Amino acid sequence: EVQLVESGGGLVQPGGSLRLSCAASGFTFSSYWMSWVRQAPGKGLEWVANIKQHGNEKYYVDSVKGRFTISRDNAQNSLYLQMNSLRAEDTAVYYCVRKGSSIEGKYYYTDVWGKGTTVTVSS
Amino acid sequence: DIQLTQSPSFLSASVGDRVTITCRASQGISSYLAWYQQKPGKAPKLLIYAASTLQSGVPSRFSGSGSGTEFTLTISSLQPEDFATYYCQQLNSYPQTFGQGTKVEIK
Repeated sequence: EVQLVESGGGLVQPGGSLRLSCAASGFTFSSYWMSWVRQAPGKGLEWVANIKQHGNEKYYVDSVKGRFTISRDNAQNSLYLQMNSLRAEDTAVYYCVRKGSSIEGKYYYTDVWGKGTTVTVSS
Repeated sequence: DIQLTQSPSFLSASVGDRVTITCRASQGISSYLAWYQQKPGKAPKLLIYAASTLQSGVPSRFSGSGSGTEFTLTISSLQPEDFATYYCQQLNSYPQTFGQGTKVEIK
């Protein structure tokens, strides 16, 4: 079964740090782009970051650039999100997601989602 | 950044109704658009990618169309399990933005 399981969320004070982890199973992790997507309480979805198969390309939404770092360990089938200088507006459920692609590799989409881990930034 | 605007933001409909949700992009994105369904407390689920390709396992009552800047998600006959919030996402360029969502509720 294809599965993504996030961990590492919790309550942190403004300015603090957290490291989210995502354990992947049931597919060849190293063959896929991976992402983090977040959802603030009662709000819509927000794409946060992408990382290419071997970690040599990374992209971030402007609001987290310089504060968050996406990384992966293909040997451990794991995805990470290091979050520093956390702000109240980073409070959200963070989803680990897999980027699938069409057969010809032209179209990408998010086809597998974890259940999410909750990050609360508050004093 | 490309902005996606969904309309309506809220929709009240009955079982059996035909429902159409529109997603407009602030600039052309070819067919690099996906649609997701999210139920309360659950992760989103992929319905459509490449604007009109039905994801495996998704019922055929769901369909997508459009290209460029205007896209639609249609549910041909609304079923009880379809009451949820729907999001579009563009994957043409970074940041890979989502629409604000359309909540479909029971009339």
